[in-house]
Amino acid sequence: EPEVTQTPSHQVTQMGQEVILRCVPISNHLYFYWYRQILGQKVEFLVSFYNNEISEKSEIFDDQFSVERPDGSNFTLKIRSTKLEDSAMYFCASSESKNIQYFGAGTRLSVL
Amino acid sequence: AQSVSQHNHHVILSEAASLELGCNYSYGGTVNLFWYVQYPGQHLQLLLKYFSGDPLVKGIKGFEAEFIKSKFSFNLRKPSVQWSDTAEYFCAVWTSNNAGNMLTFGGGTRLMVKP
Repeated sequence: EPEVTQTPSHQVTQMGQEVILRCVPISNHLYFYWYRQILGQKVEFLVSFYNNEISEKSEIFDDQFSVERPDGSNFTLKIRSTKLEDSAMYFCASSESKNIQYFGAGTRLSVL
Repeated sequence: AQSVSQHNHHVILSEAASLELGCNYSYGGTVNLFWYVQYPGQHLQLLLKYFSGDPLVKGIKGFEAEFIKSKFSFNLRKPSVQWSDTAEYFCAVWTSNNAGNMLTFGGGTRLMVKP
């Protein structure tokens, strides 16, 4: 069964550093998403991406965040200057159309 | 803005006990409803979904959920749980006015099944 894959599974970084979280969505999917889950809190929507542009973003997704689909297979989330409060589990998801989203296993980001 | 509430944060059951996890949402329009499960160390997996039609939906692993529109609820049920059902369960809602198709999640319910 096709899967969304995310790398790395765990990323440790120093505050202020840039990080790039990588995702390979399911190959025929057209919609891509990032969510995050701070420990003990809800899964929160960050951004959705369709047709090479952001289609919706939440208040969390400020200027420190960006997304890119650089090569037709990867879908990346960049955090320019990480803060302690960016520590969370980041989930990538993809969907074929406006319905079921399939999630990756997540990347645990630890900002020290 | 829509919101999703899961009232039980932690549930502990013995094997063979029946399960019901509550989920309520706040949105008056057309909704698509989902339950996802996250086993320890694994990704979110879709358990079941409701788009339209029969409000009683059956999912994988013997789970079912009932959409009650008048109560804005989509509770998850399983008649007899197994130790392998130990996981975190998330209710999620997709609403038709979303340009970006975002899911709104509940806070999750952590289920522990004692053998």
